[in-house]
Amino acid sequence: QKEVEQDPGPLSVPEGAIVSLNCTYSNSAFQYFMWYRQYSRKGPELLMYTYSSGNKEDGRFTAQVDKSSKYISLFIRDSQPSDSATYLCAMSPVGGGADGLTFGKGTHLIIQP
Amino acid sequence: ETGVTQTPRHLVMGMTNKKSLKCEQHLGHNAMYWYKQSAKKPLELMFVYNFKEQTENNSVPSRFSPECPNSSHLFLHLHTLQPEDSALYLCASSQETVNYGYTFGSGTRLTVV
Repeated sequence: QKEVEQDPGPLSVPEGAIVSLNCTYSNSAFQYFMWYRQYSRKGPELLMYTYSSGNKEDGRFTAQVDKSSKYISLFIRDSQPSDSATYLCAMSPVGGGADGLTFGKGTHLIIQP
Repeated sequence: ETGVTQTPRHLVMGMTNKKSLKCEQHLGHNAMYWYKQSAKKPLELMFVYNFKEQTENNSVPSRFSPECPNSSHLFLHLHTLQPEDSALYLCASSQETVNYGYTFGSGTRLTVV
């Protein structure tokens, strides 16, 4: 079983729709959860991070973590064509930075104008 | 210049060549990382340097040789690579080996012929 599972897509939705992106994981030691956005020919950029369970909101983006289900989500409201990118979930345990982050494969999102 | 800069952006090399990838960060971070990104696979951690000391070598073949002369510069020396080594090589940095907040460069797209 892979440590982090993420549907690679592509996921295509019309402009203005609410987008839901998800990852599941198996390692119960993970405590930090991140979402990165990667545009074509660019490196990943950090969108949001959360610690442990709960919700975090930043503008049109909401990150949710459900540790009991080992399931994390990223919601994008009022999606825009500029949101078209690959979204990578990443996670790490407490004090575990020396092992780097564990990433999902990324979901390719397409917002149709 | 700010952020994480990687050069070259693109590299084509033969299997018998020797080349080097360069990464430079202007963020005052203490930790630097090499990741490999292949199509349809999660980012794979290759090497971690914390305060110029290598703290992680994730079972990477010896044809990849990292060098970190100071906390702002990171190199990846390449020799006798295989076609399956073709990928996007990403450098990242962070403030010590924290659990989140990595800043990535735009990567070097490597093609081995």
